[in-house]
Amino acid sequence: EVQLQESGPGLVKPSQSLSLTCSVTGYSITSNYWGWIRKFPGNKMEWMGYISYSGSTSYNPSLKSRISITRDTSKNQFFLQLNSVTTEDTATYYCARAMMVLMDAWGQGASVTVSS
Amino acid sequence: DIQMTQSPPSLSASLGDKVTITCQASQNINKYIAWYQQKPGKAPRLLIRYTSTLESGTPSRFSGSGSGRDYSFSISNVESEDIASYYCLQYVNLPWTFGGGTKLELK
Repeated sequence: EVQLQESGPGLVKPSQSLSLTCSVTGYSITSNYWGWIRKFPGNKMEWMGYISYSGSTSYNPSLKSRISITRDTSKNQFFLQLNSVTTEDTATYYCARAMMVLMDAWGQGASVTVSS
Repeated sequence: DIQMTQSPPSLSASLGDKVTITCQASQNINKYIAWYQQKPGKAPRLLIRYTSTLESGTPSRFSGSGSGRDYSFSISNVESEDIASYYCLQYVNLPWTFGGGTKLELK
């Protein structure tokens, strides 16, 4: 059974970078697609982007200039970096597997607050 | 981007009721809609894909229907374990986009 777990700082200062790690067990990230989604206070959800089995990436155009998703296949982990954060980036961040295009397994989420 | 308009934002039901949530897409999404359930502090759970295909483990009291721009999700005979928030997602085009969510509460 695939399991995903997000980790990273819970507090980030404005203008800095947000960095999160998704650790995957029970399934290789060299298969399928692996993405990041966030849920804002007020419950709006936004797909941020994904990295494919081959390492190619696709990002939400709303974030394209600030986001980077990378991976370490030796550790079966993938990563989110979001640059130049503002308070509007305060959210719970989820990593997920996208199998046959659709996100079918998610982590529990990591709450990130952007505040000075 | 395809906008997904989900309604109602909240819903109050008694045990045993049937409830229905709708999502309208800003364009034809060719049945590429999924429905997720999320309980507080938990990961979202995929319940239904491609409008009406139940995932393994999804109880048969959950159902989905629709076509074109208009889709619905129903729970017949609401049980206490169904109290959660529900989201639709279109996955026909990137960026994948979610509805605003529906919070189901017990009356």
